[in-house]
Amino acid sequence: GQQLNQSPQSMFIQEGEDVSMNCTSSSIFNTWLWYKQDPGEGPVLLIALYKAGELTSNGRLTAQFGITRKDSFLNISASIPSDVGIYFCAGGNTGGFKTIFGAGTRLFVKA
Amino acid sequence: GAVVSQHPSWVICKSGTSVKIECRSLDFQATTMFWYRQFPKQSLMLMATSNEGSKATYEQGVEKDKFLINHASLTLSTLTVTSAHPEDSSFYICSARPFRGPNEQFFGPGTRLTVL
Repeated sequence: GQQLNQSPQSMFIQEGEDVSMNCTSSSIFNTWLWYKQDPGEGPVLLIALYKAGELTSNGRLTAQFGITRKDSFLNISASIPSDVGIYFCAGGNTGGFKTIFGAGTRLFVKA
Repeated sequence: GAVVSQHPSWVICKSGTSVKIECRSLDFQATTMFWYRQFPKQSLMLMATSNEGSKATYEQGVEKDKFLINHASLTLSTLTVTSAHPEDSSFYICSARPFRGPNEQFFGPGTRLTVL
């Protein structure tokens, strides 16, 4: 079945550093989604991408939909302690197909 | 917009009892809702896809008689864990896909189930 490879699994960074994480797949998606999950809570949608090559920002977050439609990355600039959490990528297709989630990237930010 | 609620946020029950968890889309209609299970420090595990007015589609390995799903309206889906056992203790999260609009899922805050 469809799978997403999300990397890295975890990151330990210093406050103020930039962060980059990515997802790759052997399958094509027409939607890429990035979520953040805080401990004990449900994931929250950060950025949604709908077109190959699309680059979208949300504050300090920037995500891109890979031109091949098989990958996406998320960048966080100037990290702060509240960026700590688990970041999930997800690939989806229209037509009722289920969305596939990556295994998550755990981000730790040291003040 | 796109708010999903879950109730209860946490529940503790005795082994052998049944527990119902509600998932509501508060400001949009959702023909499709999803139920996930998440173990500590692990990713989201899709349990089933719930479609309004029809039977849920369960993922391989998920017992449909143990995890009963009902999607009675465009804004409400319920998950009932029947005859719960300690191994059913987990964090259960629902999500909803809007009837209209982009192909996105919005998650509820999750329900922490502890079975004693």
